[in-house]
Amino acid sequence: NAGVTQTPKFRVLKTGQSMTLLCAQDMNHEYMYWYRQDPGMGLRLIHYSVGEGTTAKGEVPDGYNVSRLKKQNFLLGLESAAPSQTSVYFCASSYSGRGEEKLFFGSGTQLSVL
Amino acid sequence: KNEVEQSPQNLTAQEGEFITINCSYSVGISALHWLQQHPGGGIVSLFMLSSGKKKHGRLIATINIQEKHSSLHITASHPRDSAVYICAVTGGSQGNLIFGKGTKLSVKP
Repeated sequence: NAGVTQTPKFRVLKTGQSMTLLCAQDMNHEYMYWYRQDPGMGLRLIHYSVGEGTTAKGEVPDGYNVSRLKKQNFLLGLESAAPSQTSVYFCASSYSGRGEEKLFFGSGTQLSVL
Repeated sequence: KNEVEQSPQNLTAQEGEFITINCSYSVGISALHWLQQHPGGGIVSLFMLSSGKKKHGRLIATINIQEKHSSLHITASHPRDSAVYICAVTGGSQGNLIFGKGTKLSVKP
């Protein structure tokens, strides 16, 4: 099993450009999450999904949109990238979303917005 | 004040040393996670615990619910243990994970 796969691994954007990050999991997990990781800060939740066709806002949702059209895929979109969105983005998934179970992470996407 | 505090922020050790990383939290929790992040790599879940102690190889994690404190111990440390170790708790009103800032461990040969 591949687990959680993120693409791309690296990307450089100019301010105002758009892009989509793809997260795919092959574990039949219901819950999927997008986090961002910035220097000196803990991981922060951007958006999450509790199942196919559902999305919800996390701690820092502004400037991002998400979609979960298929259970295995969770897409994170930046419509108009800003330098403040320079970060490392991690996707994660879990079976039921209860905090008492293991979380599986992707390998991360390093995004730079110039 | 951060809801999850880790100490130390940075730790350098010699190969073979016993290492302790601490995590304190201020919210009520149902579970605490220890995660490992290698340089340039993804994040791997090491432990999830809600009480007592868990052991996996040279790694031991303990939690004291009353004191709202957890420790991650590494026995006989090795350079391949060099990584950032992250503590996270399930707490707050939405039950989402709250992450600490991480402890960067460097083990010298």
